[in-house]
Amino acid sequence: GESVGLHLPTLSVQEGDNSIINCAYSNSASDYFIWYKQESGKGPQFIIDIRSNMDKRQGQRVTVLLNKTVKHLSLQIAATQPGDSAVYFCAEAGYSTLTFGKGTMLLVSP
Amino acid sequence: GAGVSQSPSNKVTEKGKDVELRCDPISGHTALYWYRQSLGQGLEFLIYFQGNSAPDKSGLPSDRFSAERTGGSVSTLTIQRTQQEDSAVYLCASSQDRGRIAKNIQYFGAGTRLSVL
Repeated sequence: GESVGLHLPTLSVQEGDNSIINCAYSNSASDYFIWYKQESGKGPQFIIDIRSNMDKRQGQRVTVLLNKTVKHLSLQIAATQPGDSAVYFCAEAGYSTLTFGKGTMLLVSP
Repeated sequence: GAGVSQSPSNKVTEKGKDVELRCDPISGHTALYWYRQSLGQGLEFLIYFQGNSAPDKSGLPSDRFSAERTGGSVSTLTIQRTQQEDSAVYLCASSQDRGRIAKNIQYFGAGTRLSVL
């Protein structure tokens, strides 16, 4: 079946740096993507979404970029804080549910 | 309620026993999802409810797994004759129902950590 995957399993950054988490998807027909953040012991928390008719969407300190040509999605976190330490998942919307990638762990050092 | 609530938060059981996991979705959310998350892995879709019916149960790994939802609210995931490979975190999510269902943001509970000894 189609899959969604991440390039980097772990990303370590210093507090204040910008972080970029990448995700590749394989279904060229996919038209909706979501990024979730999961802290230890908690369920995934919605961060930001993007539809395929957009290339970029910005939230508070976060930006999602979508490159449909190469089927690539990225999440940029500006001025990364220790509280951003978590596992980040991209997810691709099928008809009735989401297909999640394996996740990238972001470690932020003070 | 304020968020998706799952119980118990942790469950330890012996191989061969049956377990029931409960999910209380956000009030008013008609769609409810169950996922399984193994250690260090992504989320594996199990089943999706729209109201009390389950249009998509394609992710249930075997006939030992079943789920029901009553009153369009609470859902129970049942695993019969548990095996060690069933050990995982079972996550529930709910969403509103607008347009194509998968485009509605899913809100997750904290999960039930199941350990089968």
